[in-house]
Amino acid sequence: DQQVKQNSPSLSVQEGRISILNCDYTNSMFDYFLWYKKYPAEGPTFLISISSIKDKNEDGRFTVFLNKSAKHLSLHIVPSQPGDSAVYFCAASAAGGQNFVFGPGTRLSVLP
Amino acid sequence: EPEVTQTPSHQVTQMGQEVILRCVPISNHLYFYWYRQILGQKVEFLVSFYNNEISEKSEIFDDQFSVERPDGSNFTLKIRSTKLEDSAMYFCAWFRTVTSGANVLTFGAGSRLTVL
Repeated sequence: DQQVKQNSPSLSVQEGRISILNCDYTNSMFDYFLWYKKYPAEGPTFLISISSIKDKNEDGRFTVFLNKSAKHLSLHIVPSQPGDSAVYFCAASAAGGQNFVFGPGTRLSVLP
Repeated sequence: EPEVTQTPSHQVTQMGQEVILRCVPISNHLYFYWYRQILGQKVEFLVSFYNNEISEKSEIFDDQFSVERPDGSNFTLKIRSTKLEDSAMYFCAWFRTVTSGANVLTFGAGSRLTVL
């Protein structure tokens, strides 16, 4: 039962272009979402968050969009840089919940 | 300066052996979490620990697992009798307030466990 889905296991983007990473969820109780970047043999690193009271949150090159009716969120990285190459996870939690459900991740490769 | 250090960074053990993974030091955190990631798979919640008691646990966290805060600072995850399928990266985690004011789940660098 995959409550959080990232249907693209991998994505390749040219340096300088936009990277769009998608995430879908099934649990309508989820109301807080986080995006993480992960390098091999390291812990996930927090990138950006969004709560269900918003539909967009922006931080530098990273923007997260939330479409509650579609139960869909996306992470936009622009411009993409080679250092952005990593696995990206979205994670979701429900109100008052203390654990996050992670998606399976999307491996982003930014080509120079 | 890392808020926590996870030890060991990598442990290789024989099936059936006991393993203890540690987060050190932790201060001023009431909630702690353990997550794991089997190679190539998603990050999975194991257990949350609040005020020296288990707050929530997943189906993965069976009787082979236990968590403790033995001396008020170190936070340990024990696997009593390891199985091959316990091979994974194990992360401790805690909530941190970032500059935007949001509380985000923050992860340690992880301990890699290899069960042979």
